[in-house]
This record gives sequence, C-alpha cells and structure tokens, in this order.
Amino acid sequence: SQQGEEDPQALSIQEGENATMNCSYKTSINNLQWYRQNSGRGLVHLILIRSNEREKHSGRLRVTLDTSKKSSSLLITASRAADTASYFCATAMKTSYDKVIFGPGTSLSVIP
Amino acid sequence: DTGVSQDPRHKITKRGQNVTFRCDPISEHNRLYWYRQTLGQGPEFLTYFQNEAQLEKSRLLSDRFSAERPKGSFSTLEIQRTEQGDSAMYLCASSLGQGGYFEQFFGPGTRLTVL
Repeated sequence: SQQGEEDPQALSIQEGENATMNCSYKTSINNLQWYRQNSGRGLVHLILIRSNEREKHSGRLRVTLDTSKKSSSLLITASRAADTASYFCATAMKTSYDKVIFGPGTSLSVIP
Repeated sequence: DTGVSQDPRHKITKRGQNVTFRCDPISEHNRLYWYRQTLGQGPEFLTYFQNEAQLEKSRLLSDRFSAERPKGSFSTLEIQRTEQGDSAMYLCASSLGQGGYFEQFFGPGTRLTVL
C-alpha cells in the first residue's frame, strides 16, 4: 500500500481562489515533499518540509505538517490557470532515505 | 539544456519484444532513480543508483527488468519479453543526495506502449 495519500483526488476552482490539498501518510518520516506534474514541465519539486517544522512558505505556497496526525496540507493562494496540474506528496521512510514513495496525487483544475 | 534527458520519448512495441531506455542525469548528481507511472497514479519507485552501484530494487522490478549505470553517468533500463502490463510512463530522476532529503530532478519520461 502507498505511504502517502492525497485528498481530494480532484479539485476544480476559479482563478484567484485558494486551493488546499491534503496528504496523509502511514509511517514515521524525516521530511515530506510536494511535487507538481503538468504536461508542459513534467514533475517538478515544489517544497520540502522537515519533521521538526510545522509550516513552510514558498511564494504562493504554504505547507503544513502535523506529525501527530501523520498529515500535511498544501495551500496555493490566489490560484492561476498555470497552476492546473497534479500535485503529489512524497515521503521517504526512515528505513530507506532514497526510496521515495509518491501518493496518487490531487488533480487541480484552475478555471480562468 | 543541463536537465535530465530521456530517450526515446515514446516507444511502441509488440508483446514479447525487448526494449531499452536511456537516461542522462544532471552531470554532478550521484543519485539516479527510475520510476514507473500509470495513468492517474503517482510515480512508483523501481530502483536507484548511487554512482554506478545499484543499491535498491523494488519488488515491482521483476526479473524481466534490468538497469545499469556502468560509469556512474547515464543509465539504461531494459525490459525483456514485454507484456501489456508494462505499458506505462518510465521516469528517470537524479539528485545530489538521498531522494528523501534532496530535490529530485525528473526527466520528461519515456512512454511505453506494448501492443
């Protein structure tokens, strides 16, 4: 079974609105990453949050991590049509820091 | 362009044929990863190399699959006796260090269709 699972599976919003995606995972982690995938640029790393961090910002992105609930959220503020993509959380278990496990992803559509 | 490149971008083959894909990572990256991705799913880890050493393989990687990174630079992934279930996007990524700690840079992928 997968280490991480995103919720919702699909999300459709209007341009300018905020988008929130959630990720739940099963085992202890050292950090959690978010990646974006669209047809134009492939898979691109967005942000990494360490297990001792609770919140991290990068531009219009805000990521939170709650290790007690084994969950993370990705917030995209003031969404743009160019944000249309699939978003994946990715974790590496403490037993193997190179084996990164991706969730099934959230498909985000931003309508102009 | 100094990103990760993969060749070919598309491959159509008949069941039972062998196929080989190539990945050229970013030159200073010692880690190289192979993933498989099917429609609507996230990438699934297949294997990774640290320099020329293959250090871990997923149970997904049956004995029909073999990967090499002979000089610690480019890598090849070969699938023997292809099956229709092998149809997927095969992604390569490289990083400066352990994938759980360092950003992985992904190539555009090779889309395999087995008829």
